[in-house]
Amino acid sequence: EDQVTQSPEALRLQEGESSSLNCSYTVSGLRGLFWYRQDPGKGPEFLFTLYSAGEEKEKERLKATLTKKESFLHITAPKPEDSATYLCAVRGSSGGYQKVTFGTGTKLQVIP
Amino acid sequence: KAGVTQTPRYLIKTRGQQVTLSCSPISGHRSVSWYQQTPGQGLQFLFEYFSETQRNKGNFPGRFSGRQFSNSRSEMNVSTLELGDSALYLCASSLDGEVPEAFFGQGTRLTVV
Repeated sequence: EDQVTQSPEALRLQEGESSSLNCSYTVSGLRGLFWYRQDPGKGPEFLFTLYSAGEEKEKERLKATLTKKESFLHITAPKPEDSATYLCAVRGSSGGYQKVTFGTGTKLQVIP
Repeated sequence: KAGVTQTPRYLIKTRGQQVTLSCSPISGHRSVSWYQQTPGQGLQFLFEYFSETQRNKGNFPGRFSGRQFSNSRSEMNVSTLELGDSALYLCASSLDGEVPEAFFGQGTRLTVV
């Protein structure tokens, strides 16, 4: 069974204090690893898709990287508006079906 | 460009009843996926439709069903509601299914009493 584990569950940073969020996964037939941001009361907002080990994607202060077992979301010099829950998900293929499995997220709080 | 629209936003139902939720994807998007989000389990994949066909499904009981119409709008139905079905139900649309979770709606908050 596909599994996604995110750590830490919660993270509190001072504005400008860089850090990384971790997403460890096991999946049959990886078809993509996704990062999302979710604000309270809203649906997740798509950030990145990574397909193979060694791949990196960047967007503003965020950079996502992928290895065969885990992905990292690096946040450089975060601002208060980066506060949100960050979700990681994998799309796997097994038995003719593809299925998306989400982690439970890392709740990030950036303090001014 | 209008986003993914889910209706209704909030719903209260009684145990044993059935419910239908609606999702209108972004214009031109043919893939629609449904998810259940609860505090304890997080986001769980229900099913995905592409061009009116169920292409993928998660591990939910048969009480959960869906369909997609020719205009790509999708509906999800839950029959014989249980208290544990209380959750935020999210739908997401994608142009071609390559990144099927690209755009999420605001969700429908279902409360079963």
